[in-house]
Amino acid sequence: AQRVTQPEKLLSVFKGAPVELKCNYSYSGSPELFWYVQYSRQRLQLLLRHISRESIKGFTADLNKGETSFHLKKPFAQEEDSAMYYCALYNQGGKLIFGQGTELSVKP
Amino acid sequence: EAGVAQSPRYKIIEKRQSVAFWCNPISGHATLYWYQQILGQGPKLLIQFQNNGVVDDSQLPKDRFSAERLKGVDSTLKIQPAKLEDSAVYLCASSPRGMRDEGGYTFGSGTRLTVV
Repeated sequence: AQRVTQPEKLLSVFKGAPVELKCNYSYSGSPELFWYVQYSRQRLQLLLRHISRESIKGFTADLNKGETSFHLKKPFAQEEDSAMYYCALYNQGGKLIFGQGTELSVKP
Repeated sequence: EAGVAQSPRYKIIEKRQSVAFWCNPISGHATLYWYQQILGQGPKLLIQFQNNGVVDDSQLPKDRFSAERLKGVDSTLKIQPAKLEDSAVYLCASSPRGMRDEGGYTFGSGTRLTVV
C-alpha cells in the first residue's frame, strides 16, 4: 500500500528551539517526496522536495530509504514558521499522496 | 504569473442539493487536479486531467461527483446530490506537465463546502 504517515497532529516548541516534523512512507518503488506548507489563511504551497536537496527558510529534509522516512528539520524555530505542514509522496502513477498533516506552533 | 483561481470561496447547502465549483488554472498548465480535504486530514486526490482528458478518477465517487475540463483550460467539479460527509475544502491545483516539474503543484485557495 502507498501511504504517508505523519504521527504528530500538533507539535509545539519555543522560539529558537530545534524542530523535527516526522514523516514516514510506504512505497514499493523509488519515491519522490515533498513537504508542503500552509500558513494561516494562505494557500497550500511547496516547501521543498527531496530531489533538490535544498534548504528553504532554514528547513531541510533528508530521504532515508532504510527507515522509509523524510523528516523535516530546522535548527532554530521562528514564530513565522507556525503553520500546517504536509508530507507528500509522488507515485509512479502520477498521484501526489498527502499525509494527515502536522500543525507546528512556535511560541515566543 | 497569476495563480490558480477558484470560486466560490465558501458555500453552504442543504443535503441532497447540488453544488458546483469552478477552477481556472495557471495559463499554459496542462495538468489539473481536484483534491478533497476533510477537516483534520490531508488532501485526497479526486480527479486528474491532462489537457481535457481524464488521467485518473479512481477516487471520485462517480454516483454523485462529476468533473469536466472544457477545452483543456477551466474545470468544474459538481456534487449532486450532496451528503453531510461531503463537507470539506475542495482544492484545485495545476502543473505545467506533471509532478516532474521543479515547482510541483500550484494550489488554489480552495472552496469550503458545508453541507447541513
